[in-house]
Amino acid sequence: EEQLVESGGGLVQPGGSLRLSCAASGFTFSSYWMHWVRQVPGEGLVWVSRLNTDGSFTDYADSVKGRFTISRDNAKNTLSLQMNSLRVEDTAVYYCATFGINWKSDVWGQGTLVTVSS
Amino acid sequence: DVVMTQSPLSLPVTLGQPASISCRSSQSLVHSTGNTYLFWFQQRPGQSPRRLIYGVSDRDSGVPDRFSGSGSGTDFTLKISRVEAEDVAVYYCMQGTHWPYTFGQGTKLEIK
Repeated sequence: EEQLVESGGGLVQPGGSLRLSCAASGFTFSSYWMHWVRQVPGEGLVWVSRLNTDGSFTDYADSVKGRFTISRDNAKNTLSLQMNSLRVEDTAVYYCATFGINWKSDVWGQGTLVTVSS
Repeated sequence: DVVMTQSPLSLPVTLGQPASISCRSSQSLVHSTGNTYLFWFQQRPGQSPRRLIYGVSDRDSGVPDRFSGSGSGTDFTLKISRVEAEDVAVYYCMQGTHWPYTFGQGTKLEIK
């Protein structure tokens, strides 16, 4: 079964840092682009970042550019999101997701809550 | 950024009746490859999103055939032929043609 499991969320003060991880299993992780999507509780979905199969290409939403870094370890089947200079408005549930090759499949993690508050 | 506009935002439906959600994009979603990367997601209360439709009209594995997608260019529709209790959820359209990928605001389907 294809599965993604996020971890690393929690409470952090404004200006602080947090590193999210996403463990993949049940599919060939190294063959798929990976994504982070976030959702403020009770609100809609917002794409945060994407990463190609070997980690050489990344993209970020303007709201997180320069503060967040997406990366992957294909040997460990793990995706990461390093979040620095966190702001109150970064508070959200963060999902990792993949959509297979050419968007043919759909796998989401259960989400991890990040709360930025003093 | 491409703006995805859904309507209605709230959709009360009687069990067994059809439902329809509209999604309009601020730019054409036809990619340079000729593909149209328009998707529909369902998010039930307390759950992660789940994709229902990819490439405008292809149903994901395990999605009941009462769900169907249609449209082209900038105008798309998700239809449910006969609403069941398990369809209570928020539905989002999403475009994957232009970065950053963007979602619609969401349509909350409830049983009347």
